[in-house]
Parts: sequence; structure tokens; C-alpha cells
Amino acid sequence: DAKTTQPTSMDCAEGRAANLPCNHSTISGNEYVYWYRQIHSQGPQYIIHGLKNNETNEMASLIITEDRKSSTLILPHATLRDTAVYYCIVRNSGGSNYKLTFGKGTLLTVNP
Amino acid sequence: GAVVSQHPSRVICKSGTSVKIECRSLDFQATTMFWYRQFPKQSLMLMATSNEGSKATYEQGVEKDKFLINHASLTLSTLTVTSAHPEDSSFYICSASLEYRGGEAFFGQGTRLTVV
Repeated sequence: DAKTTQPTSMDCAEGRAANLPCNHSTISGNEYVYWYRQIHSQGPQYIIHGLKNNETNEMASLIITEDRKSSTLILPHATLRDTAVYYCIVRNSGGSNYKLTFGKGTLLTVNP
Repeated sequence: GAVVSQHPSRVICKSGTSVKIECRSLDFQATTMFWYRQFPKQSLMLMATSNEGSKATYEQGVEKDKFLINHASLTLSTLTVTSAHPEDSSFYICSASLEYRGGEAFFGQGTRLTVV
């Protein structure tokens, strides 16, 4: 799986948009970009994933650059409960038997 | 839907004893489950891939005789930490994926193991 690079930490004001970047310059054509988050002492939670088109769901939006070498996760209106470590993961296809490899992620702190 | 449940959420055991952690997919069948370990302030590290009806596949450096994995049914995988030592104290997390949801993985709530 391609390696990803994320900032170690970011801060965001409550109510503002949180934009979390991820670099994946070695991504290959059949690899998807997944985002998960982990709130302290809990299991990770799926947020969103995409291949090349931008995606949006009830939690967030995922913007993938045209060359697919980077992406941005956008939380449109961050709340205090969005404080968590956010992981950007690149993996092959959507098979159920394919493992996820976690990097160090970005610690997002939402401030009041 | 797509809930993965782990039990227990916390366990304290004495050195030398064994501890079993259960991971259940509550509303779907999972032919494959994954077991991760997470030390404080570190990321999740994959320990093994649990395959229903066959032997687990362990990551390099993970002792298969110490971390016994059984996946006897499509909804249950168990991880047994045998002869536990204080250095095995960690946060253990399981997950399962749904192929029809693009391989989206669902995680259990984790088990905090403390070996004293």
C-alpha cells in the first residue's frame, strides 16, 4: 500500500471548517483513499473514502486532487466532539479481506 | 447496521495467566477479521488476520503461540493472550470489513488489557 504523510497535529475553532491534508504521492491507480478517526480510548471510526472523485457524506467531504497525489478531509462545522486522531490510509480495492495499515495520523484539537 | 462488538472492554489479569478477548459482528457475517494492538500515544499495529475456518495469518514479529486466534464462526473471532506479562498491557482492537460497502472497516470499541 502507498505511504501517506499527514501533519502531526492541527487546531481548529469550534464551528469553523477543519481541513486535514494528506499526501500520498506514490498512490497507484487502483488504490482508494480512506479516512478514519479515533477518539481517545475508542476503536477507530470510518469517515469516508474515495478513488478519484470528490465525495461527501453526512460526516465530511473528501477532496482528491486531479493527480491523486494528495487529498483533504473537510469537516464543515467542527465541534468539540470532533477532537480525535484522523488517519488517512491508502489501500488496494474494496475487498473485505484487505487489511488497513495505520500511520501516525493527525491529532485534531477543536477549541471552544 | 454493521456493528462490531468487543468483550470485555477492560480486563486486569495477573502475570502468567491467560486472557480471552471476543470480537463479534452483530448484524453481518465476517469471513475475515483483523486484530490490532495499540500502545499509549502510538498508532494501531496490525497483529494478525483472522480467517473463518482456517488458521490466522500473523504479522512479522507477532508470536502466534502467545496470541492465539480462533475464528470458528462467521460472527465470532477470539484473541487469547497466553501467559500474559506486563509488557502485553495494551489496547487491543478488532475490525471487520463489508465488501459491499467498498471494504469499509468497522471496529470494535477496544479492550484495555492491564497485566499486573
